[in-house]
Amino acid sequence: GENVEQHPSTLSVQEGDSAVIKCTYSDSASNYFPWYKQELGKGPQLIIDIRSNVGEKKDQRIAVTLNKTAKHFSLHITETQPEDSAVYFCAASMGGGSQGNLIFGKGTKLSVKP
Amino acid sequence: DAGVIQSPRHEVTEMGQEVTLRCKPISGHDYLFWYRQTMMRGLELLIYFNNNVPIDDSGMPEDRFSAKMPNASFSTLKIQPSEPRDSAVYFCASSYRGGGNTIYFGEGSWLTVV
Repeated sequence: GENVEQHPSTLSVQEGDSAVIKCTYSDSASNYFPWYKQELGKGPQLIIDIRSNVGEKKDQRIAVTLNKTAKHFSLHITETQPEDSAVYFCAASMGGGSQGNLIFGKGTKLSVKP
Repeated sequence: DAGVIQSPRHEVTEMGQEVTLRCKPISGHDYLFWYRQTMMRGLELLIYFNNNVPIDDSGMPEDRFSAKMPNASFSTLKIQPSEPRDSAVYFCASSYRGGGNTIYFGEGSWLTVV
């Protein structure tokens, strides 16, 4: 089955710097790659997603890139702010997400120091 | 919309007791998921329903776990008897096929079994 590896497990940056989180997946049939942000005591919230027919997607300060050949995708956060501090999860799916077969990475705890 | 609603938010119970977690999905959503989150294993899919019918329960750890969805607006996850290793955060989530495959999570039920 699908396996998603996420790195690093913790990341500390200074406010204003950029943060990059990387994930690799094992199943070449995966075609949907969402990123979730989880704040303390809350459920994960979708922040951006990308499908296999697109190489890059951007939404204000966040962007995601996908390399299907290498089977890896990355989350980029620019101009980080203290409120970006949270745990970020990547995930991969073969069924577009609705089929429930989202496989999550283990998460990255991002700390943004003011 | 009120989002996915879970209850209880926190529960502490003694080993051997029955635990029932409840979920109200977002109105109009036709998929409902139960996830479990632990430090060791991360986010794991336990079971998911489509139109109230269980589709994949391969993630349910043991026969002690059961889930039902009697109607489109309510689901339960039951653990009987509970064990300390069941201590985790249990998330309910929902989505609908026409909604871009976004899965929306509830705030979670924090279960501690002592």
